[in-house]
This record gives sequence, C-alpha cells and structure tokens, in this order.
Amino acid sequence: KAGVTQTPRYLIKTRGQQVTLSCSPISGHRSVSWYQQTPGQGLQFLFEYFSETQRNKGNFPGRFSGRQFSNSRSEMNVSTLELGDSALYLCASSLTRSTDTQYFGPGTRLTVL
Amino acid sequence: AQSVSQHNHHVILSEAASLELGCNYSYGGTVNLFWYVQYPGQHLQLLLKYFSGDPLVKGIKGFEAEFIKSKFSFNLRKPSVQWSDTAEYFCAVYGNNRLAFGKGNQVVVIP
Repeated sequence: KAGVTQTPRYLIKTRGQQVTLSCSPISGHRSVSWYQQTPGQGLQFLFEYFSETQRNKGNFPGRFSGRQFSNSRSEMNVSTLELGDSALYLCASSLTRSTDTQYFGPGTRLTVL
Repeated sequence: AQSVSQHNHHVILSEAASLELGCNYSYGGTVNLFWYVQYPGQHLQLLLKYFSGDPLVKGIKGFEAEFIKSKFSFNLRKPSVQWSDTAEYFCAVYGNNRLAFGKGNQVVVIP
C-alpha cells in the first residue's frame, strides 16, 4: 500500500507570496493532520481534517488554512508568507480520528526569502 | 493541553552500547504514547506505540519502551545500538485529537 505523499517536496517563495501544499493520504485513511517542523520549535500541530471538515486547529495565525476533499486528499495554504514560515511541513494520515496511529509523509520543505 | 519533555537532546555513543532516551509527558486524560524516528533524509516513521495493556512495549528494530504511569514517563531503550540507528527520535502523546511532540533526541552512533 502506498504511503502518504506530499507535493511539492521543495518550494522557494518570497515574503508576501502565498503557497499551497498538497497531501494524499494512505488509501482508505480519512483523517489528515498537518504539522510544522522547525529547528527551534520542533514539531507543532497545525490542523486536522476529517470528512472534509476542519476538526481541530493549533495555535497558528489565520494565514494558515487548509481544506480536505471528498477523496480525503488535503491541501494547506499559507498566505502573506513571512520569513519565519520557512519550515518542513508534514502531513499525516490515519484511518479515523481519535487515537488511531498517524503515518507521516516525507514533507514539503518551504523556504521563504 | 498536553506536553512532552525529552532530555539530552544530543546523544553520541559507540556501536554495541545501550541506549535509553527519556520521555516525560503531561496530560490529564487517557494517554496514548508514541515514539517516532526520523532517519537522515527520511520521513518520520513509527517505532512503537502504547495504548493500553502491557506497559512494556516492543517495537521495530529491537527497540522497546516502558510506560510508567506513576512517573508520567515513556522511556525508549535499545540494548545494543548499531550505526544505522543514527537518527532523531521523537516522543509524542496523543490527546485533544492531536499529537504533541517532544523536541527530539539527536542520536549519533559511532562505528
């Protein structure tokens, strides 16, 4: 079974631009969560989607948003990019919500210049 | 909100040495605990998990972890490490419908 895939793998943007990252979960998985990984803050939860609805949101500004489609694929969007948004963005999928194990994709490395 | 503490962020040891990484968590509800590993250039992979039952959990590649409820701990161990165990290790607790991660342990195994 194919794992979680994320596109693109690398992205370079300039301040003020916006970016969209994509995540395809493992087949049959319905829950998708997003995390930001930086050297200083570590891994931080961004949001969770299940059945096309955002169920949970971490402590990030409104510039960070996302959505989930009927096939469980998910996108996250960051508008008005700042230098501090440079990070590895990880997507994780699980069969359902709650305590189910989350499986991670390889991430998208975003660099903001 | 839940939180996880991992100490000794950088660990250097020789092959065949034993490894123990500490993990302490804070969460008021039923805990579900995980250790993930991130090998150089690879994505986060699940090492092992604890949901309930036997507090000694065995995972992949010879790793095990022990859940001690009274100490709010979930320490990871491996009796004899190999060079291929060089990686970053993350402890995580699931609660409030999200995973909270510790800052990670960067482990370097010298051949």
